[in-house]
Amino acid sequence: GDSVTQMEGPVTLSEEAFLTINCTYTATGYPSLFWYVQYPGEGLQLLLKATKADDKGSNKGFEATYRKETTSFHLEKGSVQVSDSAVYFCALSGSARQLTFGSGTQLTVLP
Amino acid sequence: EAEVAQSPRYKITEKSQAVAFWCDPISGHATLYWYRQILGQGPELLVQFQDESVVDDSQLPKDRFSAERLKGVDSTLKIQPAELGDSAMYLCASSRKGGNMNTEAFFGQGTRLTVV
Repeated sequence: GDSVTQMEGPVTLSEEAFLTINCTYTATGYPSLFWYVQYPGEGLQLLLKATKADDKGSNKGFEATYRKETTSFHLEKGSVQVSDSAVYFCALSGSARQLTFGSGTQLTVLP
Repeated sequence: EAEVAQSPRYKITEKSQAVAFWCDPISGHATLYWYRQILGQGPELLVQFQDESVVDDSQLPKDRFSAERLKGVDSTLKIQPAELGDSAMYLCASSRKGGNMNTEAFFGQGTRLTVV
């Protein structure tokens, strides 16, 4: 079945540092890929998505590129802020239109 | 901005008691999902509705969990009897009709259940 593997956290960075959170997936066919963010005590919000190979999703300074050859969708941001502290989930959606999530990566950004 | 509404936000219940959660999706969204998120893990799908019909409930523990969406709008998830291992965040999400795998799912704020 479909699965998503994320780098384990927690990740702690200083403000303005570069962020990478690794994500790889296993799926049949050609899924769509997503990054969701969850702030403390809240539900999930879509951060960005990519729907086909080589697509780049971007939002709020975050980027991720759909790499079919390496089955990866790594999240990057050039300069993190304290307000980016949250849990980040990589997810995929296949033909059943159901999201399969990774285990999440806790990011803490220190001032 | 339209939101997925869930209630209650927090629920504490004793084991063996019954508990219910309510979800009102974004107006016009035909697909509704219930996910369970155990602390420190990613959400896992419990049940998926298309209008009032169950599309997938293969991961729903049917001996104690039930879900309904009688008029194809709001939905209720019930647990009876609750067990200690049911302590988790229960998330509801919805997406628009006619979508495909690219279609965004919008999540509610969730119900945090603690079973004591």
